[in-house]
Amino acid sequence: GENVEQHPSTLSVQEGDSAVIKCTYSDSASNYFPWYKQELGKRPQLIIDIRSNVGEKKDQRIAVTLNKTAKHFSLHITETQPEDSAVYFCAGGARSQGNLIFGKGTKLSVKP
Amino acid sequence: DGGITQSPKYLFRKEGQNVTLSCEQNLNHDAMYWYRQDPGQGLRLIYYSQIVNDFQKGDIAEGYSVSREKKESFPLTVTSAQKNPTAFYLCASTIETRNTGELFFGEGSRLTVL
Repeated sequence: GENVEQHPSTLSVQEGDSAVIKCTYSDSASNYFPWYKQELGKRPQLIIDIRSNVGEKKDQRIAVTLNKTAKHFSLHITETQPEDSAVYFCAGGARSQGNLIFGKGTKLSVKP
Repeated sequence: DGGITQSPKYLFRKEGQNVTLSCEQNLNHDAMYWYRQDPGQGLRLIYYSQIVNDFQKGDIAEGYSVSREKKESFPLTVTSAQKNPTAFYLCASTIETRNTGELFFGEGSRLTVL
């Protein structure tokens, strides 16, 4: 089955700097890679996702890149703000599998 | 309001007791999932169901059971066989179409075994 590794486990940046979180996956059949943000005490919420037929997707200050050959994908947050502080989870899966496998999460702290 | 509702929010259990966590959604979603969240462990899949009266084991199904008698309901029972049940449990749902995959999560249930 799928295995998703996520790094780093914690990340601290200064406000305005960029943050990058990286994930690798093992199953070449996986074709859907979402990112979820979980603020303290709240439920995870989807912030961006990418499918295997594209290499990059951007939504304002966040972007995700996918390298299918190397089986890794990354989340990029530019111009970080204190409200970006949260735990971020990557995930991978395939519709045929019917489920997503999550990474262990990255706790991002943005210092004002 | 459309959404996914979990109850109870907090639950305390004595060792050896079974407990059932409720998950209800009014989003008309086909698929429902149960995840367990432990510090530093991410979200681990317990069970999932893509249609009524059918469900599959996830990575950590041992000691848990589920049912899917209605589309909108997917209760999780934590049995006494689960060796380390203290955790935060998240239920999620998604509509099973070819082009969408967003999981909508409930607010979670925190189970503590005394």
